[in-house]
Amino acid sequence: KAGVTQTPRYLIKTRGQQVTLSCSPISGHRSVSWYQQTPGQGLQFLFEYFSETQRNKGNFPGRFSGRQFSNSRSEMNVSTLELGDSALYLCASSFTPQGGSDTQYFGPGTRLTVL
Amino acid sequence: SQQGEEDPQALSIQEGENATMNCSYKTSINNLQWYRQNSGRGLVHLILIRSNEREKHSGRLRVTLDTSKKSSSLLITASRAADTASYFCATDKAGNQFYFGTGTSLTVIP
Repeated sequence: KAGVTQTPRYLIKTRGQQVTLSCSPISGHRSVSWYQQTPGQGLQFLFEYFSETQRNKGNFPGRFSGRQFSNSRSEMNVSTLELGDSALYLCASSFTPQGGSDTQYFGPGTRLTVL
Repeated sequence: SQQGEEDPQALSIQEGENATMNCSYKTSINNLQWYRQNSGRGLVHLILIRSNEREKHSGRLRVTLDTSKKSSSLLITASRAADTASYFCATDKAGNQFYFGTGTSLTVIP
């Protein structure tokens, strides 16, 4: 079974631009979660989607948004990029929603650099 | 916050030695999971231990859970250079999101 895939793997943007990251979960998984990882803040939860509905949202500004499609693929969007948005963005999928005692499987991440 | 904390933040050992890292959390949980992350890459799931379990083994890994102390430990026996990575614990509770700890950076010196 193919793992979680994320595209693109690397991205360089400038302040003020917007960016869209994509995540394809493991086949059959309906939950997709997004995390931001930075050296200073560690792994921070952005949001989780299950069956096209946002279940949980972390403490991030409205510039961060996401969606999930009927095939469970998910995208996250960051508008009006700031330097502090430079990070590794990780996507994880699982069969059941978070809190359902299920393992999350992670993709390789998208490294976003904002100049 | 339910976020866990790993201890120590960094650990350096010789190949063949055992490595122990600890995780503490703040509220009751359903499960605790350990993940490994090689530099700048995605997380790899290592082991899951449920709240009613006290110890679990997987190959060279041994995980213990003490719910009364709200803590867990991960022991890697006979370490190898390939074990060099960051290790994170993650906790979950019914209806709630995953919370990741701050991570332990392990360096195994050949």
